[in-house]
Amino acid sequence: AQKVTQAQTEISVVEKEDVTLDCVYETRDTTYYLFWYKQPPSGELVFLIRRNSFDEQNEISGRYSWNFQKSTSSFNFTITASQVVDSAVYFCALSGLRWETSYDKVIFGPGTSLSVIP
Amino acid sequence: EPEVTQTPSHQVTQMGQEVILRCVPISNHLYFYWYRQILGQKVEFLVSFYNNEISEKSEIFDDQFSVERPDGSNFTLKIRSTKLEDSAMYFCASRAGGFYEQYFGPGTRLTVT
Repeated sequence: AQKVTQAQTEISVVEKEDVTLDCVYETRDTTYYLFWYKQPPSGELVFLIRRNSFDEQNEISGRYSWNFQKSTSSFNFTITASQVVDSAVYFCALSGLRWETSYDKVIFGPGTSLSVIP
Repeated sequence: EPEVTQTPSHQVTQMGQEVILRCVPISNHLYFYWYRQILGQKVEFLVSFYNNEISEKSEIFDDQFSVERPDGSNFTLKIRSTKLEDSAMYFCASRAGGFYEQYFGPGTRLTVT
């Protein structure tokens, strides 16, 4: 079965602090996608990143960075120098990576609510 | 950049009424999905749809729910007789064939009173 765990339910940091959001996943698939989404108070899902299971390179995009470690089934997300606008719920997610079948539903973690205090 | 659109953005309905949530997937996409997020909870898969039929559905997707692609552009989710617990944000998603990820729409917030 596929499962995504985000152990941190809520995190509060003071502006300009760095913060890491943890994500651990379970899957029997050998190939899969991992994602992070941001959900601001307005409710939409904002896509942040997609990672293929065969690409373990870490990625940096501005103040955001992601650490993918297949050995520990983790895909952690770090925000450097946090800002008030980063306050949102962040979801880690997993889906299959298959050619034709539609058995590729996205499995979301429970989310981590991040509050950045000015 | 092409995007998935959903209408309405917010719908209020009375318990027992039928509602239809509408989605326009990205035009060349082949696979379509609905997800649900009850307030404060995680996003959950409801159903996937390919080649004009349901491919997979979750245990949430009971007989009160149905999906349809009535024309070449729309993808709809119908709830026949809404219950209070159907109040949630409903997200539509679509993807192209091959190794591509799903693109999510902005969601429809359904409130059942």
